[in-house]
Amino acid sequence: SQQGEEDPQALSIQEGENATMNCSYKTSINNLQWYRQNSGRGLVHLILIRSNEREKHSGRLRVTLDTSKKSSSLLITASRAADTASYFCATDGKGSGNTGKLIFGQGTTLQVKP
Amino acid sequence: EAQVTQNPRYLITVTGKKLTVTCSQNMNHEYMSWYRQDPGLGLRQIYYSMNVEVTDKGDVPEGYKVSRKEKRNFPLILESPSPNQTSLYFCASRQGVGETQYFGPGTRLLVL
Repeated sequence: SQQGEEDPQALSIQEGENATMNCSYKTSINNLQWYRQNSGRGLVHLILIRSNEREKHSGRLRVTLDTSKKSSSLLITASRAADTASYFCATDGKGSGNTGKLIFGQGTTLQVKP
Repeated sequence: EAQVTQNPRYLITVTGKKLTVTCSQNMNHEYMSWYRQDPGLGLRQIYYSMNVEVTDKGDVPEGYKVSRKEKRNFPLILESPSPNQTSLYFCASRQGVGETQYFGPGTRLLVL
């Protein structure tokens, strides 16, 4: 089964509001990465947070990680219409070894209305 | 610009006609992977490579082959494509274990 599960599956907000997406996973991880995908196009890397980190910021993005609860959240502040996309969390599990395999969640589809 | 490139970006083919999707990265990364993305199934790893001449199966390798003759290139080969290989394919690379994984722009394949 998928390692990462995201919540909510879909989110619709007004421009300027904040958007929060949550991700849960099942096993121990090296790190967790967040990606954005616009309408079936490429995967754009947003941020990586390591298992020994609790919070990380990048511009309008804030990611938290709680390894005790096996969960992460992505907060986008002051959202813009251009943030409309699907957002995926992906875990790099400790058990993946040298495979490089990331386990992806099903994603959260974010719509930001102008 | 550091990037992963894939070609072609879109491809329509017929069952049984061999095809190759190329992937190249200019970041001197050791590790490369291929994934496919399907509705309801998410992204799944097809094959991966840890270095030149070192490749191994991922979760869904059936019907695919890969090669890693040079560090920068990691082509995906479909010897005899079938309709169930219709999908969106992504190549990815990373420098090492636990590092950021960068994805190419994707190749949308339709097998008739």
